[in-house]
Amino acid sequence: DTAVSQTPKYLVTQMGNDKSIKCEQNLGHDTMYWYKQDSKKFLKIMFSYNNKELIINETVPNRFSPKSPDKAHLNLHINSLELGDSAVYFCASSQNYYGYTFGSGTRLTVV
Amino acid sequence: GDSVTQMEGPVTLSEEAFLTINCTYTATGYPSLFWYVQYPGEGLQLLLKATKADDKGSNKGFEATYRKETTSFHLEKGSVQVSDSAVYFCALTEVGGGSNYKLTFGKGTLLTVNP
Repeated sequence: DTAVSQTPKYLVTQMGNDKSIKCEQNLGHDTMYWYKQDSKKFLKIMFSYNNKELIINETVPNRFSPKSPDKAHLNLHINSLELGDSAVYFCASSQNYYGYTFGSGTRLTVV
Repeated sequence: GDSVTQMEGPVTLSEEAFLTINCTYTATGYPSLFWYVQYPGEGLQLLLKATKADDKGSNKGFEATYRKETTSFHLEKGSVQVSDSAVYFCALTEVGGGSNYKLTFGKGTLLTVNP
């Protein structure tokens, strides 16, 4: 069983479209995250939810809206996609400071 | 705020060579330190961790020691293999922040090991 699973793995879409990425974890962790990895491999946190409550929102355009229907799921919806949104988006979960478990990533390409 | 600085790559080594990737950090509190590895086309995997000063994390022949006096957590391996080719990330998280265990990453170091 995959611990943190994201769908889709690849997403190619046109500018201006709206798209969603889904994430699910079966580890029983309380906290989930979205990270963005740019073309230079730099990783930066976008959002964090703890037990469905938004904890971290790091200067992300409001076109990005996370939603957590329960503590095992954290989805990311992106409105009006722009070329600069092209990146790999990673979902992750953690229970404490011993480290995260990451999903395998969603490669978003905006054309 | 917190920050992590790691040596810029790329690093290219021959098989069985010794590896060191330097990592230093700035933190306001008492961080836990991590090394993550990203193999081509994959997500990040936790390689090793250390949660307090002088702890040594180790896994798959890799080691790193939490040095509070030099605020460092350098990654080492005595004999690298071709299969170690990947991007390595140093990272930290502050302890005691409630549920806010934000990971702050370094910029990553690409390691290529040639046969």
